[in-house]
Amino acid sequence: LAKTTQPISMDSYEGQEVNITCSHNNIATNDYITWYQQFPSQGPRFIIQGYKTKVTNEVASLFIPADRKSSTLSLPRVSLSDTAVYYCPRGGSSGNTPLVFGKGTRLSVIA
Amino acid sequence: DGGITQSPKYLFRKEGQNVTLSCEQNLNHDAMYWYRQDPGQGLRLIYYSQIVNDFQKGDIAEGYSVSREKKESFPLTVTSAQKNPTAFYLCASRGQGGRNTEAFFGQGTRLTVV
Repeated sequence: LAKTTQPISMDSYEGQEVNITCSHNNIATNDYITWYQQFPSQGPRFIIQGYKTKVTNEVASLFIPADRKSSTLSLPRVSLSDTAVYYCPRGGSSGNTPLVFGKGTRLSVIA
Repeated sequence: DGGITQSPKYLFRKEGQNVTLSCEQNLNHDAMYWYRQDPGQGLRLIYYSQIVNDFQKGDIAEGYSVSREKKESFPLTVTSAQKNPTAFYLCASRGQGGRNTEAFFGQGTRLTVV
């Protein structure tokens, strides 16, 4: 099965909203869509998950269209500390299937 | 504190030696995973285990071995057959069933061959 597809990198100024899109062309029916954040020399950290429509938590929003073939992670008013790599791995249907990561999107926030 | 712990944080190995990386979790998770990450790259799956005494190969299992004798522990051995073992190794765990999809990662072990 193909991995998910994301832009390799993005730049943004502090205070702007950032939207990162992921393509999930082969998503399984029971898979949730999940996003992770990774800082250098650390393990990835879970940010948000969703199945359909829109989900919002204290960190981000996740938009998922009806066909579920893509998702958009939205980070409101980014700061320098949001500089990291963001992943949308395949296989989000709990521990029954492993998470398969692509190369992620490297977000650089500029002052 | 519940969590997943990897040790050591840094490890140096001479060529031709086997070395074992530790991963322990107290989250009562059934599934555990090992990933390898090279500079500027994403995570690649080495091995995973969904239950005690059972594990499956991931995309890059050659030169690695694992065991899962206890639910809490999933050690990874990097054998001398692994030709390019210098990398950052990450262990993760996840619950099974329902919406329990969040994976928890350790802080990683950076292995260097000297």
